[in-house]
Formats: sequence, structure tokens, C-alpha cells
Amino acid sequence: GENVEQHPSTLSVQEGDSAVIKCTYSDSASNYFPWYKQELGKRPQLIIDIRSNVGEKKDQRIAVTLNKTAKHFSLHITETQPEDSAVYFCAASSNNDMRFGAGTRLTVKP
Amino acid sequence: DAGVTQSPTHLIKTRGQQVTLRCSPKSGHDTVSWYQQALGQGPQFIFQYYEEEERQRGNFPDRFSGHQFPNYSSELNVNALLLGDSALYLCASSLYQGGGEKLFFGSGTQLSVL
Repeated sequence: GENVEQHPSTLSVQEGDSAVIKCTYSDSASNYFPWYKQELGKRPQLIIDIRSNVGEKKDQRIAVTLNKTAKHFSLHITETQPEDSAVYFCAASSNNDMRFGAGTRLTVKP
Repeated sequence: DAGVTQSPTHLIKTRGQQVTLRCSPKSGHDTVSWYQQALGQGPQFIFQYYEEEERQRGNFPDRFSGHQFPNYSSELNVNALLLGDSALYLCASSLYQGGGEKLFFGSGTQLSVL
């Protein structure tokens, strides 16, 4: 099955700085890569996703890049705000089987 | 439009007991996936149900079983509970479109095994 690795496990940035979270996956058949944000005690919420036929996607302050050859994808958050503080999970989906990374705890310091 | 709903929200059981968790998918969705999320970890895939059948399964023992009903709702059953089964159990629904569907999560059931 698919194996997703995520780095770093924790990330602390100053408000206004950028944050980058990286993931690698093992199954070359994976074709869908979503990112979820989970605040303490709440459900994971989809924030952005990318499909294998696209290399980059942007939505306001959030962007995701995908390198299929290297089997890695990254989340970029610019102009971070305290409300961006949460745990972020990457995932990779192959044949209706979605596997998640272990998560990155992002702290944005005001 | 109701999102994904799960019940109960919290549950306390003792070792060896059995538990049933329930999930109603988002309106219009036909596929339900179950995940186990231990504290500080990412969601671990248990299995997925589509057309009332288990379509995919993760690396979980047979103690974990499930069911999907004609109205697309689903149950997760865990037999012979172990202390290590304590976790947040998340249900996610989607609409099958051949692969790569967006998952929408419920708020989860927090299971504590004593």
C-alpha cells in the first residue's frame, strides 16, 4: 500500500513569514494529493488539493506543488497569521485508497 | 445540507468488550471511509465501503469490521477491545467518481478503552 512521509513534524514561524511542509509518497499510481488542516479537537478540513496532471495550484495564501518524478509534494503558506496555527496533514490517494502523513504542527507566533 | 455526522461523540469501554460506531455521510455521497487517529498521529486507513461492500482495507485485524446500509450510512464494529484501540475514530464520506475523490470528515468518535 501507499506510504506517505511528512516533514517537519513541528514548525514554528513568526507571523508574516512563510511556512513550507513537505511530503513524499511511495506509490507511483497515486494521482490525488489533498492537504488537510486540523485544529485542536476538530475534524480535519480540506484546504487545498492537487491532481497528478498539474504541477502547481494556488489559492490565495496557500499553494501546493507536485513533483511526480520525485514523488514529493509540498504545501506553502505565505504571510502566515496566528489563525493558521494547527496540525496539517498531507495525503496521497491511489485507487480510492487515501493514506495520510503523520502531520505537522504549525505554530505562528504573533 | 448536513455534513458528515458520527455517533456517539465519546465512548468508554473496557478491554474485551465490543463497540459499534455510526456514521451518516454528507448528502449526495455514496462512499464511506473509516480512519483511526491516535493522539498526535495522522489518520490511519481502516477500510472503505461502497455499494454496501468493503472495497479497500488497510492494515487492521479482523476484529475491525464494518457495514454499509442502503441509505449509505455505515457502522464500524470493533470486537475484543484492546487498550491500544483507544483513539479518535473518524468517518469520511465522498462521492465515487472513479478515483481521487475529496473526503469530507465527521467530527469523530473518541473511544477510550480502560
